[in-house]
Amino acid sequence: DAGVTQSPTHLIKTRGQQVTLRCSPKSGHDTVSWYQQALGQGPQFIFQYYEEEERQRGNFPDRFSGHQFPNYSSELNVNALLLGDSALYLCASSLVGSSYNEQFFGPGTRLTVL
Amino acid sequence: SQQGEEDPQALSIQEGENATMNCSYKTSINNLQWYRQNSGRGLVHLILIRSNEREKHSGRLRVTLDTSKKSSSLLITASRAADTASYFCATDVGGGSQGNLIFGKGTKLSVKP
Repeated sequence: DAGVTQSPTHLIKTRGQQVTLRCSPKSGHDTVSWYQQALGQGPQFIFQYYEEEERQRGNFPDRFSGHQFPNYSSELNVNALLLGDSALYLCASSLVGSSYNEQFFGPGTRLTVL
Repeated sequence: SQQGEEDPQALSIQEGENATMNCSYKTSINNLQWYRQNSGRGLVHLILIRSNEREKHSGRLRVTLDTSKKSSSLLITASRAADTASYFCATDVGGGSQGNLIFGKGTKLSVKP
């Protein structure tokens, strides 16, 4: 049973560039959430996708956008990168309709903005 | 913004000792979950406690929840060096319908052999 996978593992970009991160959910899951974790902090919710639409969004600017594909995989796009966007980006999957909001996390993508 | 606040921020103990971490939160919750993170990698789900539960066990883990005080504790008994990690509490305020999780800043646990 494949867990949540993310690619790439690490990424280095410069300010102003754009980046795309990818996530494949756990087998059988249909909902994908993205979190940003700055160094020494807990994860912060960016947004959540279900049925190819953004269901919820945290307090992040429009530079952060996403997409969900028919196979439930998802992408996170960040435009006009800032130094402060350097963080670990975590993807989590879950199943809508489950009794509890237990989310399964991927290993993350470490983004460094220079 | 972060709802949960873990206490202490860092904890160092010897192998075999018990480790207790606390979490406080601000708003009503549907459930509270504890996660472990090794060296800045992905989060591993440890245990979930519903708002109508007061205590839950899973192996060497014991979680309590006091909704009147808006607090929870995680106890790891007979700790091992492999328990060295950061531990986060996360609250689900979404009514069980896939709301986002709100994480605290975590407790960094170091277990010395």
